[in-house]
Amino acid sequence: ETGVTQSPTHLIKTRGQQVTLRCSSQSGHNTVSWYQQALGQGPQFIFQYYREEENGRGNFPPRFSGLQFPNYSSELNVNALELDDSALYLCASSLGDFNTDTQYFGPGTRLTVL
Amino acid sequence: QKEVEQDPGPLSVPEGAIVSLNCTYSNSAFQYFMWYRQYSRKGPELLMYTYSSGNKEDGRFTAQVDKSSKYISLFIRDSQPSDSATYLCAMRTRYQKVTFGTGTKLQVIP
Repeated sequence: ETGVTQSPTHLIKTRGQQVTLRCSSQSGHNTVSWYQQALGQGPQFIFQYYREEENGRGNFPPRFSGLQFPNYSSELNVNALELDDSALYLCASSLGDFNTDTQYFGPGTRLTVL
Repeated sequence: QKEVEQDPGPLSVPEGAIVSLNCTYSNSAFQYFMWYRQYSRKGPELLMYTYSSGNKEDGRFTAQVDKSSKYISLFIRDSQPSDSATYLCAMRTRYQKVTFGTGTKLQVIP
């Protein structure tokens, strides 16, 4: 086990709704990254936080937003859900800033948008 | 063209076989190369992490990087049914996001 946990495990939402996914990083890990993994695809980088500030973002629209808290927990918020948002959402934590260290992935949250 | 190309498989081999998994990439700025294993309904697990060209061995796993050809490989010796999973290559430049391949699904048949 990586020590990274995510909740909930599964989630079903309807188009247009909003969703919040949660991640608890390993203690002492200052960096958390979020990824979207569609079925049969590799993870796609959404954004990364280092010490509660966003310091990198992939090609995702602003309706994908996040927060990181001092207690090593973080959130991914998605507004105005679309059918294509159905995917496995993964968080990964690491010690340092900007991917200089090994990333440890959580088990993911599977989001289904109907 | 995708930055990282990986054959999705599936790849089916008998137990004990040597498995070869490969990725090619187009971004010459990639410096760090990783291989992850992902079991069904689980998050990716880091197997190998390499920086320079050449080989790196860890137990039954060998990672190979050829920067001149923009080609990386993962070899699994004496494959076991427990190796059945999806294998993801990943790479990044020094200060940027990790870019993953699509993953190759491997099945090792007893």
